[in-house]
Amino acid sequence: GAVVSQHPSRVICKSGTSVKIECRSLDFQATTMFWYRQFPKKSLMLMATSNEGSKATYEQGVEKDKFLINHASLTLSTLTVTSAHPEDSSFYICSAADRATGKLFFGSGTQLSVL
Amino acid sequence: GNSVTQMEGPVTLSEEAFLTINCTYTATGYPSLFWYVQYPGEGLQLLLKATKADDKGSNKGFEATYRKETTSFHLEKGSVQVSDSAVYFCASRGRALTFGSGTRLQVQP
Repeated sequence: GAVVSQHPSRVICKSGTSVKIECRSLDFQATTMFWYRQFPKKSLMLMATSNEGSKATYEQGVEKDKFLINHASLTLSTLTVTSAHPEDSSFYICSAADRATGKLFFGSGTQLSVL
Repeated sequence: GNSVTQMEGPVTLSEEAFLTINCTYTATGYPSLFWYVQYPGEGLQLLLKATKADDKGSNKGFEATYRKETTSFHLEKGSVQVSDSAVYFCASRGRALTFGSGTRLQVQP
């Protein structure tokens, strides 16, 4: 089946540094990718929707300057957490919509810990 | 906007026990409904779905019926196995997926 590769799976960084998370669709093209964030024992919250070649659409309350999203190709979207702080520690997960079928596939997630 | 509420876990069962994980939704219109499963160390996988009222989604022995009158989409399995241990997410689809908080299932031998 279709695979979405998300990397890294776990990252620990110091406060004030930036972290980039990659999301790749390995055997399909994804015109749309979604980025979610999950707090412990909470739902996955949609952060933003990225469309290939255009600016991402951010959900209310999500700082676009803090969570930079780039969707430069049909198989790659990146989320950069800039100037990370401990409150940014969370589980981030991406989802890609297959251009051909519209089906959604998920990455395995990234656990970010900011010290 | 859409919202999904599902029962908190963890749910701990013995092998071959009956499973129910409750899920209710609020939405304008009639969204498609999904159950996703996340096995340890893996990404979310679609388990089953239903696209309209009274539809029953089924896969791997799991079933869920789209109940419009109760706005529910409860997940059931008649006899769970240890390999079913995972986190289960109920979701509805509008522009994007709206997820419940997830329910961890632990099946003991």
